[in-house]
Amino acid sequence: DIQMTQSPSSLSASVGDRVTITCRASQYISNYLNWYQQKPGKAPKLLIYAASSLQSGVPSRFSGSGSGTDFTLSISSLQPDDFATYYCQQSYSTLRTFGGGTKVEIK
Amino acid sequence: EVQLVESGGGLVQPGRSLRLSCTASGFTFGDYAMNWFRQAPGKGLEWVGLIRSKAYGGTTEYAASVKGRFTISRDDSKSIAYLQMNSLKTEDTAVYFCTREEVRLGELSSDYWGQGTLVTVSS
Repeated sequence: DIQMTQSPSSLSASVGDRVTITCRASQYISNYLNWYQQKPGKAPKLLIYAASSLQSGVPSRFSGSGSGTDFTLSISSLQPDDFATYYCQQSYSTLRTFGGGTKVEIK
Repeated sequence: EVQLVESGGGLVQPGRSLRLSCTASGFTFGDYAMNWFRQAPGKGLEWVGLIRSKAYGGTTEYAASVKGRFTISRDDSKSIAYLQMNSLKTEDTAVYFCTREEVRLGELSSDYWGQGTLVTVSS
């Protein structure tokens, strides 16, 4: 199976901060990488697909980059609604796998 | 509006069976692959399996942790996907989500998720 490693596992930030989350795949996955946001008690929400494409309706402060094995999710100016857990997921392999998640908390 | 609604969760004893349903609306169900994911209490997301559309053979794939015990099927006439879970174990306790799988730029993503249904396996 392809292992996905996210870092950090948690971070504290203030409203207006720029936040960066990284995700590393254990093998080459091209751009077959998605980012999801999940709030407590809710279903995940797709933010970024194909590593860098913004899902419809998602604010432009979210962006994704990377290819191959190393990927990044950035939030340019953190808003109160962005405090949540973020997951990367690879779709290169039929056996989809997720990173362990990054919890973004209020500083 | 695309909607996915899971149902069928509940409390079940180890070794017993349960069938979850995912009822879809707002899109042509038969054109899409459907995935099942789960999330154990306080844990991360885990892929359970998928069923492809009839155009791609309607074939299924499963995670190693459920292969041989779980079966995914679909009824395109009713716009429902099913997850049949047999020989349940305590470690299957989780919220189960169904998702629609979209293909864009050659890449696959779950663009719509249901609200989830809780399955608790306990004696």
